Amino acid sequence: TQLLEQSPQFLSIQEGENLTVYCNSSSVFSSLQWYRQEPGEGPVLLVTVVTGGEVKKLKRLTFQFGDARKDSSLHITAAQPGDTGLYLCAGVRPSNTGKLIFGQGTTLQVKP
Amino acid sequence: GAGVSQSPRYKVTKRGQDVALRCDPISGHVSLYWYRQALGQGPEFLTYFNYEAQQDKSGLPNDRFSAERPEGSISTLTIQRTEQRDSAMYRCASSLADGVGEQYFGPGTRLTVT
Repeated sequence: TQLLEQSPQFLSIQEGENLTVYCNSSSVFSSLQWYRQEPGEGPVLLVTVVTGGEVKKLKRLTFQFGDARKDSSLHITAAQPGDTGLYLCAGVRPSNTGKLIFGQGTTLQVKP
Repeated sequence: GAGVSQSPRYKVTKRGQDVALRCDPISGHVSLYWYRQALGQGPEFLTYFNYEAQQDKSGLPNDRFSAERPEGSISTLTIQRTEQRDSAMYRCASSLADGVGEQYFGPGTRLTVT
């Protein structure tokens, strides 16, 4: 079983639509990160959230960390074809600061 | 560039052979991580180092897998007596320090065991 469950695993939408990706766990994390990965490349960090209830915005992307620090969401407004890629959430448990645990990823395809 | 580099980028080996995968982290980065990633899935943690000390190897699948970072810089992941199930993308990452810091990922080594 995955410690971090991402949903949906696949998402295919039209340009201009909004979407939300969820990252859920029954465990508490000291921080959560969101990465984006393009084909043939390694993951690239988008944001880190560390405080329960924290909301961060990055242009059309909004990231939220749950109050209990067990879940997070990524919302994209007016998706564009350039947003296409694999989105990964990853968390650090309080007891193990060096070990980054990844979710299984959400593959997003934005059609023009 | 000054990013994380990995070599070789592609490795094809026969079942039973040993392989060594190399990671050259960003200069000055204290922490180095090894992951295995299946296509379309998130990276799976294998092990990580702070300087030359291996801090956590709980993700190594079995004792055929080992890693070292003897001088606190370059690291080698070694797989002995490879099996077909070892075929995967092996990624290395480095960070200034462990914890909440950003991990910078390398391009990976695609290992195919025939």
